[in-house]
Amino acid sequence: EAAVTQSPRNKVAVTGGKVTLSCNQTNNHNNMYWYRQDTGHGLRLIHYSYGAGSTEKGDIPDGYKASRPSQENFSLILELATPSQTSVYFCASTASQNTLYFGAGTRLSVL
Amino acid sequence: QQKVQQSPESLIVPEGGMASLNCTSSDRNVDYFWWYRQHSGKSPKMLMSIFSNGEKEEGRFTVHLNKASLHTSLHIRDSQPSDSALYLCAASRNTGNYKYVFGAGTRLKVIA
Repeated sequence: EAAVTQSPRNKVAVTGGKVTLSCNQTNNHNNMYWYRQDTGHGLRLIHYSYGAGSTEKGDIPDGYKASRPSQENFSLILELATPSQTSVYFCASTASQNTLYFGAGTRLSVL
Repeated sequence: QQKVQQSPESLIVPEGGMASLNCTSSDRNVDYFWWYRQHSGKSPKMLMSIFSNGEKEEGRFTVHLNKASLHTSLHIRDSQPSDSALYLCAASRNTGNYKYVFGAGTRLKVIA
């Protein structure tokens, strides 16, 4: 099965601090996604990418930046973390119009 | 903004019973529907997909799609306690962007 690795698995950050969540896939998938999951909201799309060098805004991009320096790596950056960004973050990858493969998730707490 | 609505929010069924979950998209350009299952503390995993009108069966799981109403449903027969999970519906378009939009999910509990 396709492998997607997220790091860190858990993170505690302070309000106003910078947080970087990393995602690596070795499936040679073009498309990668960052979602956050909160109770009652399912998975909400933050940013996505079609390939190295590209990033697109999802449905809730405010307060987040993304970076895709290579086919394998896709990062989510919180420049000024706020308590409202406390959530579980999932990275996923897929070949076009195919099954999404998710990483194990990162639990972020912003105090 | 594309939206995916799921119902019910939660569902309790007895072991061996039938569970029926619903999902509707508000985006008329959607072509593909997906059902993902997420056990507690785990990441979502694809359960079934459906792209054409009609029905698709895989073991105890059956999915229906009505493209005219943009409605899909998932039915689980002979439900088992191991089926207890959050079920997420996702929709995507055939062309243009490759966004997968998810609903809020249905939390299923199967009681012995």
